[in-house]
Amino acid sequence: QSVLTQPPSMSAAPGQKVTISCSGTTSNIGNSFVSWYRQFPGTAPQLLIYENNKRPSGIPDRFSGSQSGTSVTLGITGLQTGDEADYYCATWDSSLSAWVFGGGTKLTVL
Amino acid sequence: QVQLQQWGAGLLKPSETLSLTCGVDGGSFSGYYWIWVRQPPGKGLEWIGESNQSGITKYNPSLKSRVTISVDASKNHFSLTLSSVTAADTGVYYCARVMSWATRRRYWYFDLWGRGTLVTVSS
Repeated sequence: QSVLTQPPSMSAAPGQKVTISCSGTTSNIGNSFVSWYRQFPGTAPQLLIYENNKRPSGIPDRFSGSQSGTSVTLGITGLQTGDEADYYCATWDSSLSAWVFGGGTKLTVL
Repeated sequence: QVQLQQWGAGLLKPSETLSLTCGVDGGSFSGYYWIWVRQPPGKGLEWIGESNQSGITKYNPSLKSRVTISVDASKNHFSLTLSSVTAADTGVYYCARVMSWATRRRYWYFDLWGRGTLVTVSS
């Protein structure tokens, strides 16, 4: 059972938009910034979003992040088959004194 | 371009000690925190622990009794040991760099990852 809650799977058609949610509590998302990671099968996670809504260089503006209270959302527009991957949110939990991840969301583009 | 190179034993028997090392190639070791994360087969990511270049550490409370993270700043690498392994410790182990420039931890994130090492615990 992950501290941060994500939907296990989502799907959408190419060209569409998808939003992946990540919900927590006041001791984690409500108190710290969230980062998002993308993981293709058999590879290491890759930073996608940091500080809730900032993109590292090289990440296209099709990817966006937002935060409201104790939840954050990752948005992906103009979906491509190459966006099929697992997506994870992460943040610092001040009560647990630990970094915590969401359980991951498997995105299918069909 | 900075890369993280991982190495260590990939096959262990129950009760043995897991030992992995992560080397920082082409970049600075100081000024950052460094973490270990693991992923059981078909499951999500779990933070194991962290250290900075001075050896200040934090560990996942669920693993704290078995985990040690050490650093060798002179060699630009840091290591993970996990004692008394069981089959539940099987998975891919990743090292990663923490972008820890901000004073407050709430701003930090993981910007660079190693390729991962598959560790299998089996009798």
